[in-house]
Parts: sequence; structure tokens; C-alpha cells
Amino acid sequence: DIQMTQSPSSLSASVGDRVTITCRASQGIRNDLGWYQQKPGKAPKRLIYAASSLQSGVPSRFSGSGSGTEFTLTISSLQPEDFATYYCLQHNSYPHTFGQGTKLEIK
Amino acid sequence: EVQLVESGGGLVKPGGSLRLSCAASGFTFSSYSMNWVRQAPGKGLEWVSSISSSSSYIYYADSVKGRFTISRDNAKNSLYLQMNSLRAEDTAVYYCARDMVDYWGQGTLVTVSS
Repeated sequence: DIQMTQSPSSLSASVGDRVTITCRASQGIRNDLGWYQQKPGKAPKRLIYAASSLQSGVPSRFSGSGSGTEFTLTISSLQPEDFATYYCLQHNSYPHTFGQGTKLEIK
Repeated sequence: EVQLVESGGGLVKPGGSLRLSCAASGFTFSSYSMNWVRQAPGKGLEWVSSISSSSSYIYYADSVKGRFTISRDNAKNSLYLQMNSLRAEDTAVYYCARDMVDYWGQGTLVTVSS
């Protein structure tokens, strides 16, 4: 099974900050990775697909990069509505696996 | 607009059974694989099972293999998850999600407790 190691597990930042979240796969997954945002009590929402493609309707301050085993999600300038939990998901092979999540909190 | 609506959750005793349903609309259901993903209270996301568009390929997480059965009815635009031999650790919100996990339903809560 492919393990996804996501870091950090939590992050405290201010509005306007640039933040980066990383996911590392235990073996190569090409670009078969998505990034998701989840707010309390809500279903996750996909932000990025194919590692670097922005989902329609998602603000351009979100970006993804990487291929193979190292992936990053960057938020260029944090907005109040961005404080949430973020997950990566690999769908290169079964079982699909999520990262452990990164809780982004207001400093 | 893609819509996925889960139903069938509730309170069940350990060892019991439950069948979840997911009603799909806004896309050609029969052309897409589908997934179940769950989230235990206060925990992260866990992929549970996937089924291909024609039901030819089915996959399960080890944690549910042999106890859960995924199925679909393309004529009814519906996805199902039959859950047997339920355990306390199966307590979670269960989401259905389309294909490469792009769209999600709102989730249905399953609580396994005596």
C-alpha cells in the first residue's frame, strides 16, 4: 500500500501569509494526487487535481505542484475563509490513501 | 449540477447491519466509477471502497474487506454500501464520491453502539 505522509499536521498563520503544505508518497504516484479543503461539519471540497490543476471555481491563490513522490499545496495569500483542514489523496493505486490532514488555524 | 445524496445512516448495535444509499444526479452516472469514503468523529478521511462504472472492478480497504459490499444500479443512478458485522470502529460519517473523488455528497452518519 502507498503511504501518504502529510506535513505539518497543524499550522498557525495570519491573513495575508503564504503557506505551504507537503505530502510525500512512499512510492511514485506520477501526478495522481488531489488536494482537498474541509471545513467543520462539511464535506471535503477538491481544490487541486492531477497534482497541479486548479479545480474550476477555486481561487487562483491556491496552487499545487509536484510529481512522483513529493507534492505541495501553496496558498499565496491567506484569506479568512481559508482556515480549514487540508488533505491530500493519492488515487494512483488501490487502496487510495489520504494524508493525515493539516489543520490551518488563525494566528 | 452534480449532486450526490447519501441516506441510510443511523444507530446500529455491534454485529448489526446497515445499507447506505447514494442517489446521483447531474451527470451520466453509468460513465463514472464511484467511491465510499468515511470519517470517524474528530479523525481524518479514510477511503473505504470503489466500484467501476460497469461494476467490473471492485476494491475495498482491508479494514472493511469481507464485511462491506459495494454495489450500484446504473438504471436507478444509485450507489450502495451494504455493511455487515459492524464494529464500534466503523462509527463515522460516510460519504459517496464520484470517480477521482471530485464531487462528494453531504455524508450520512453511522453510529455503532450498544
